[in-house]
Amino acid sequence: DGGITQSPKYLFRKEGQNVTLSCEQNLNHDAMYWYRQDPGQGLRLIYYSQIVNDFQKGDIAEGYSVSREKKESFPLTVTSAQKNPTAFYLCATKFRGWADTGELFFGEGSRLTVL
Amino acid sequence: DAKTTQPTSMDCAEGRAANLPCNHSTISGNEYVYWYRQIHSQGPQYIIHGLKNNETNEMASLIITEDRKSSTLILPHATLRDTAVYYCIVRSLKAAGNKLTFGGGTRVLVKP
Repeated sequence: DGGITQSPKYLFRKEGQNVTLSCEQNLNHDAMYWYRQDPGQGLRLIYYSQIVNDFQKGDIAEGYSVSREKKESFPLTVTSAQKNPTAFYLCATKFRGWADTGELFFGEGSRLTVL
Repeated sequence: DAKTTQPTSMDCAEGRAANLPCNHSTISGNEYVYWYRQIHSQGPQYIIHGLKNNETNEMASLIITEDRKSSTLILPHATLRDTAVYYCIVRSLKAAGNKLTFGGGTRVLVKP
């Protein structure tokens, strides 16, 4: 099946712990994105990557880190420096090239709760 | 990217057309209008996009005013499964980082 797989779907962590959220895609898309969504709110961009070994900060990058060692994978680490990490995290991908319509494809999300 | 304004919520009767408005009065000439929807606790799903001509696909129709300052998403025959938050976004394909900025959207409730 082609698509985007985020794991885990639900995650609980204690304050002060780092946690890594996985995002894997087999769509052969170059660009990948991480968004955060708080209850009743829209999506806010954390980090994005347009190509392997390159990534940029989005609007709310503080307290987060990413890596892009493979085209298929864009893991997000929520560090202990993130003051309010409880949220719904969404990974997205986009095709780049002559047929780029600007459409984003989203995973099903990971819900992180800090206890 | 230009900012959009949408009603917070709206109800629609099952089987009837749902017309979702969006204002984007500061849209620039190279910015497209995109619509996504998000069913509760799922990732957003792309619906349709357009530049200045009206567009239609299997999910919906997009009507953009001639001055491009507003648009309407039309779900021709709403079903209960269309209950979701609908986001209207404007952006340029060449925008740095290809960022999409999602506002609060319109919460649509389709009632039997």
